[in-house]
Amino acid sequence: AQSVTQPDIHITVSEGASLELRCNYSYGATPYLFWYVQSPGQGLQLLLKYFSGDTLVQGIKGFEAEFKRSQSSFNLRKPSVHWSDAAEYFCAVGSRPPNTDKLIFGTGTRLQVFP
Amino acid sequence: DTEVTQTPKHLVMGMTNKKSLKCEQHMGHRAMYWYKQKAKKPPELMFVYSYEKLSINESVPSRFSPECPNSSLLNLHLHALQPEDSALYLCASSQEVVGSYGYTFGSGTRLTVV
Repeated sequence: AQSVTQPDIHITVSEGASLELRCNYSYGATPYLFWYVQSPGQGLQLLLKYFSGDTLVQGIKGFEAEFKRSQSSFNLRKPSVHWSDAAEYFCAVGSRPPNTDKLIFGTGTRLQVFP
Repeated sequence: DTEVTQTPKHLVMGMTNKKSLKCEQHMGHRAMYWYKQKAKKPPELMFVYSYEKLSINESVPSRFSPECPNSSLLNLHLHALQPEDSALYLCASSQEVVGSYGYTFGSGTRLTVV
């Protein structure tokens, strides 16, 4: 069964600093991979997704992620963090057909941004 | 319209009450989902509807009863809930059940059971 691990529960960065959030997955083939962001009390917003092709994926709000098959990773990056980026970030994996009914979410990484 | 709309945003109910959560999307998505999220935890899948038919029930207690009246609407009927059912309930939709599309989430209903 597929699974997702986000090793960092909480990350604190200064505004303007670079950011990398880690995500590792376990799956027998190349899964569908997603990053979502959740502000307090809100729903989840899709930042970006990967399912094939170029392993460097661009998303909204200046985020990007790189799929590395050899490391089973899909880390999220941003070159310069803004205070408004403070939120909870979830990595998620979806199965390829025929087992395609649901996404599995990691436990999340809380990002705190200091001015 | 690129949103999933959930109502109400907040709900307080007693353990003997019956209430319903509503979810609506007009993106033509054919798969809809209910997730439950406790504080500081990831969302947990409850139900999946594909083409208005229930395709997954993640062993959810019968006090939660989903309903999909049409392709745009998804309801979650609540009855005889317990305080531990207090959580953020999220609705999501996707073009198809196939996992490559990702989900569009609503902003959730914050449920408190007293």
